[in-house]
Amino acid sequence: GAVVSQHPSWVICKSGTSVKIECRSLDFQATTMFWYRQFPKQSLMLMATSNEGSKATYEQGVEKDKFLINHASLTLSTLTVTSAHPEDSSFYICSAAIPGTVSSGANVLTFGAGSRLTVL
Amino acid sequence: GDSVTQMEGPVTLSEEAFLTINCTYTATGYPSLFWYVQYPGEGLQLLLKATKADDKGSNKGFEATYRKETTSFHLEKGSVQVSDSAVYFCALSGKGGGNKLTFGTGTQLKVEL
Repeated sequence: GAVVSQHPSWVICKSGTSVKIECRSLDFQATTMFWYRQFPKQSLMLMATSNEGSKATYEQGVEKDKFLINHASLTLSTLTVTSAHPEDSSFYICSAAIPGTVSSGANVLTFGAGSRLTVL
Repeated sequence: GDSVTQMEGPVTLSEEAFLTINCTYTATGYPSLFWYVQYPGEGLQLLLKATKADDKGSNKGFEATYRKETTSFHLEKGSVQVSDSAVYFCALSGKGGGNKLTFGTGTQLKVEL
């Protein structure tokens, strides 16, 4: 149980185009999802917290207009990289808190397999 | 701010060897500490966690002890198997930070026959 699915797993696009990545919770409802970005040989960096029915909360330094996040339902959050450029090439990973797993203020998170974006 | 430092990989071991992956952290207060594992082609999975000093998390033969005095949470396993080959991430969740995790860079483990 508690599976998060990401799609697509990899995408190649031309510079200037927009790319949408979907994150779905398959067997549970996720009021909150998290989007991470990972550069080669670096940590996962939290980009934003996606809240169902409201605006996403972005981390410092993350461009809101570049990385559009929509959490329209309790099982789907989308990340759209707008006007993508080669420097946006990265591995994007989403996660969601597993309901009922709060421990000392921190839920256990379940992660998607990630989406690798390559911008030419 | 919070940070996690873990040893660089790849770490290559023979089957049944002893494994240690070092992890140290910097955080205010008393964070919760986690080890996540990512098998090829899959998402990160929680391996074990510890929420207070001196707690020991354990799962699938892996162990890690929350050491406040050394701000460490080293991952150990007495006898690794080929199926343990994966990337291991140390992470912390700061108090009051809710579900926000700060990750280390990940350590790739390769276990050979």
